[in-house]
Amino acid sequence: DIQMTQSPSSLSASVGDRVTITCRSSQSISTNLNWFEQTPGKAPKLLLYSASSLRSGVPSRFSGSGSGTDFTLTISGLQPEDFATYYCQQTYSIPYTFGQGTKLDIK
Amino acid sequence: EVQLVESGGGLVKPGGSLRLSCAASGLTFSAYVMSWVRQAPGRGLEWLSSISTNSGNIYYADSVEGRFTISRDNARNSLYLQMNSLRLEDTALYYCARDYGFGVFDYWGQGTPVTVSP
Repeated sequence: DIQMTQSPSSLSASVGDRVTITCRSSQSISTNLNWFEQTPGKAPKLLLYSASSLRSGVPSRFSGSGSGTDFTLTISGLQPEDFATYYCQQTYSIPYTFGQGTKLDIK
Repeated sequence: EVQLVESGGGLVKPGGSLRLSCAASGLTFSAYVMSWVRQAPGRGLEWLSSISTNSGNIYYADSVEGRFTISRDNARNSLYLQMNSLRLEDTALYYCARDYGFGVFDYWGQGTPVTVSP
């Protein structure tokens, strides 16, 4: 199975900050990498797919990059509604696997 | 608007069984691969199983292979997960999700909770 490792596990930031979350896979997954956001009590929400493609309706302050084994999610200009937990997911091979999550909270 | 509504969760003893359902609306259900994902309390996300549009291709995570069975009824716009031989570690919130393509889960239900306890 492909292991996905996110860093950091938690992160404190302020409204307006720019933050970056990293996701690393245990083997190359090309760009088969998705990012999700989850707020407490809610289902995960797809933000980006194929490493850098923004899902329709997702604000442009979210961006993604990377290929192979190293990926990043960047949020430029944090908004109050962005304080949540973020997960990466590889879809290069089954079983699809998720990172352990990065909790972003308010400083 | 795409809506996925799970049901069937509950409290069950170890070794017991449950059948989860996911009712879909606002989409051409038969055109999409569908999946189940779970989240144990306070934990991350775990993909469990996916089923192709015509049920011809089915995949499972090792953790549930042989115990869980995914199925669908395209005429009823419904997805199912039959869970047998339940274990304590199966306690989680179970989500169904639409697969936009190649494992991209673009719509999720609200989840149905399963608690396995003596």
